[in-house]
Amino acid sequence: GQSLEQPSEVTAVEGAIVQINCTYQTSGFYGLSWYQQHDGGAPTFLSYNGLDGLEETGRFSSFLSRSDSYGYLLLQELQMKDSASYFCAVRVYNFNKFYFGSGTKLNVKP
Amino acid sequence: DAGVIQSPRHEVTEMGQEVTLRCKPISGHDYLFWYRQTMMRGLELLIYFNNNVPIDDSGMPEDRFSAKMPNASFSTLKIQPSEPRDSAVYFCASSTRDAPPGDIQYFGAGTRLSVL
Repeated sequence: GQSLEQPSEVTAVEGAIVQINCTYQTSGFYGLSWYQQHDGGAPTFLSYNGLDGLEETGRFSSFLSRSDSYGYLLLQELQMKDSASYFCAVRVYNFNKFYFGSGTKLNVKP
Repeated sequence: DAGVIQSPRHEVTEMGQEVTLRCKPISGHDYLFWYRQTMMRGLELLIYFNNNVPIDDSGMPEDRFSAKMPNASFSTLKIQPSEPRDSAVYFCASSTRDAPPGDIQYFGAGTRLSVL
């Protein structure tokens, strides 16, 4: 089966840097994606890694290592508005199906 | 584009009633997904379509749930009869393999369903 493990909750202070990890057990997949969801809102796409390495998009970066079955989302210069849940997701070769991790709730404190 | 449009935004119904959730995907997208989200179970994929054809419905909880996609711009998720344990937020999402990187899903605002 497919599984993506994430920490359930992370707390950090405004202006800091936080890393949210995602370890996975899955068969062949195209890439690792990250989504952000604010309370009461819908998931929105943040970042995608099709290849191993680091992808940077503004304050957010994402990393993938297929050999380690591991990825992470790095948020820099944390702002209060970054308080949300963050999900990693993969699309597997088999039927192009998407699987989401259980999500990490990020609490940013002043 | 207006994005993925879901209706209604909120639905309150009584146990045993039929519930129909609606979704209009982004024009040109060839994949459509229905998800259910609860605190206990997280984000669960119920069913998805490719070019209006159901590809995988293994996530549909039971026969009370059914989904259709009669054309490229409309899909429904029906629960009949509804039960209190169906209370959740239901999301519709669409995507396309054509636009890079091809793995982005665009979610609608969701339908918050409460079955009393």
